[in-house]
Amino acid sequence: EAGVAQSPRYKIIEKRQSVAFWCNPISGHATLYWYQQILGQGPKLLIQFQNNGVVDDSQLPKDRFSAERLKGVDSTLKIQPAKLEDSAVYLCASSLASGGTRAHEQYFGPGTRLTVT
Amino acid sequence: AQSVTQLDSQVPVFEEAPVELRCNYSSSVSVYLFWYVQYPNQGLQLLLKYLSGSTLVKGINGFEAEFNKSQTSFHLRKPSVHISDTAEYFCAVRAPGAQKLVFGQGTRLTINP
Repeated sequence: EAGVAQSPRYKIIEKRQSVAFWCNPISGHATLYWYQQILGQGPKLLIQFQNNGVVDDSQLPKDRFSAERLKGVDSTLKIQPAKLEDSAVYLCASSLASGGTRAHEQYFGPGTRLTVT
Repeated sequence: AQSVTQLDSQVPVFEEAPVELRCNYSSSVSVYLFWYVQYPNQGLQLLLKYLSGSTLVKGINGFEAEFNKSQTSFHLRKPSVHISDTAEYFCAVRAPGAQKLVFGQGTRLTINP
């Protein structure tokens, strides 16, 4: 099966600019996650969608970050305006809806490496 | 809330030597435990998981991990490493009924020839 797709793979912007990342999850996966991975740290969940509804966005800096999953498939994560501390890899993951052992497994995309200068 | 501590940020070993990557967790409830591997410029790949049952869990690429409830640990082991095992390894926990993964800081495994 095709994996989680993300684009772009790399992005360099100046502080105060805007940027958007795109994610296409595995077909049939109802749950989609965005993680932020700062260099030298483990991934931190930013937002979780179940279909097109938000399940958890408690760690999303809502003053500058936004995300949507309009049709319950693809998702975009936006940063506006970007700060230097937003430099990180942004990982998208997906999983089946809850229920059953396989539902525990999250599949990750390759990530988008953002550098803010 | 759950938290994960990976006790070593870097572990250098020689090829064909055994390795253990340490992971301790903190939680007020029972948890599910995971190890993920991240190769350079790639996303995370699941190595193995503990949900219930046998405390010794076998995963891909010859890795295994043992769940120790009394010590709240889930250490990852491999009896003989290969150059291709060079990567970053992440331990993660998840509360039953939740889907949010909480990751440790990662351990960089470097294999020397």
